[in-house]
Amino acid sequence: AQSVTQLGSHVSVSEGALVLLRCNYSSSVPPYLFWYVQYPNQGLQLLLKYTTGATLVKGINGFEAEFKKSETSFHLTKPSAHMSDAAEYFCAILQGAQKLVFGQGTRLTINP
Amino acid sequence: DVKVTQSSRYLVKRTGEKVFLECVQDMDHENMFWYRQDPGLGLRLIYFSYDVKMKEKGDIPEGYSVSREKKERFSLILESASTNQTSMYLCASSPSILGANTEAFFGQGTRLTVV
Repeated sequence: AQSVTQLGSHVSVSEGALVLLRCNYSSSVPPYLFWYVQYPNQGLQLLLKYTTGATLVKGINGFEAEFKKSETSFHLTKPSAHMSDAAEYFCAILQGAQKLVFGQGTRLTINP
Repeated sequence: DVKVTQSSRYLVKRTGEKVFLECVQDMDHENMFWYRQDPGLGLRLIYFSYDVKMKEKGDIPEGYSVSREKKERFSLILESASTNQTSMYLCASSPSILGANTEAFFGQGTRLTVV
């Protein structure tokens, strides 16, 4: 069965600094991978996804992620953090053709 | 604008009560899901439905049941609420196949407290 592991339940960066949120996956088949964001008191919103093709995926709000098969990773990055990026971020993998399996989540705090 | 609507944002129920959480989607999606979100555990799938009157257990179905009588509506039922069911519940919907050109959409969540 497919699974994902997010490294770090809480990441804190300064405004303007690089954001790096880590996600490693386990899958016996080529994975479909996703990053979702959850702002306070809201549901989940899709940031970006990797299905096939280009391994560097660009998403909304300046985020991007790179699929690295050799490292079984799909880390999320943003070159310069903004206060509005403070949220919880979830990595997910598609199981079968229908079900999303989520990681534990990483809470991102931005320091002024 | 696509929408998944959960009927309540906050609920407080007593131990032993029967609790209904309602979810409606307006996208004509085949699939609907109920997840439970707890700190440090991420989202865990309780049940999902791939068609009207069809359902499949997720990873943590114990203590829950579901109902899908119409395509747009998916209900989560706690037969006898317990304090360990205090949590955030998220509903989602998606087309039958998730892929490059499709995505799942989430409701805003229902924060349930069982006292």
